[in-house]
Amino acid sequence: DTAVSQTPKYLVTQMGNDKSIKCEQNLGHDTMYWYKQDSKKFLKIMFSYNNKELIINETVPNRFSPKSPDKAHLNLHINSLELGDSAVYFCASSPAASRMGRDKGYTFGSGTRLTVV
Amino acid sequence: AQKVTQAQTEISVVEKEDVTLDCVYETRDTTYYLFWYKQPPSGELVFLIRRNSFDEQNEISGRYSWNFQKSTSSFNFTITASQVVDSAVYFCALSPSYNTDKLIFGTGTRLQVFP
Repeated sequence: DTAVSQTPKYLVTQMGNDKSIKCEQNLGHDTMYWYKQDSKKFLKIMFSYNNKELIINETVPNRFSPKSPDKAHLNLHINSLELGDSAVYFCASSPAASRMGRDKGYTFGSGTRLTVV
Repeated sequence: AQKVTQAQTEISVVEKEDVTLDCVYETRDTTYYLFWYKQPPSGELVFLIRRNSFDEQNEISGRYSWNFQKSTSSFNFTITASQVVDSAVYFCALSPSYNTDKLIFGTGTRLQVFP
């Protein structure tokens, strides 16, 4: 049973296109995230949602629009793709930080490698 | 400022050597979590450990051990008797307070273990 699943695993697309990446978690976690890993392996948070509500938006261009239809899903839609958007995008989930208890905390999906050509 | 510094960009060792990966963090909060993740060449992020800011006990898990020292704001990771399968990028991360649901990652240390 995959805890955090994201699709697709690979995405190659042309500049200017619009694309979506889907993410689902079956852990019952309250919070979901999108992280971006650039070509130098640097990982940075983009968004977090708690129970479908946007909590964190880390100065991401508004071409990126997250959508959370329910607590278990957080999709990422990207408009007008640019070459600089090429990266690996990781979805993650966690219980609230104050309630992590014995839970390991954050669970990451396997990543989506986006290549814009 | 909330920040994680992994000063070692890349480390190369020969199998069976011990290796320590350094991590220094900054946060204003007194309650926070620290993490280590492993990213093997296959790309996924593998959870290794989570440490609560109130728990300064060192931890050992097999060949892995962690040394948490609040006095120096460090959370170092040691692999004993390294193996080729340990080759990966290792990330230290900070969840800067119990009220902040995000991870701040260091820039990672690439470990290469040669046979």
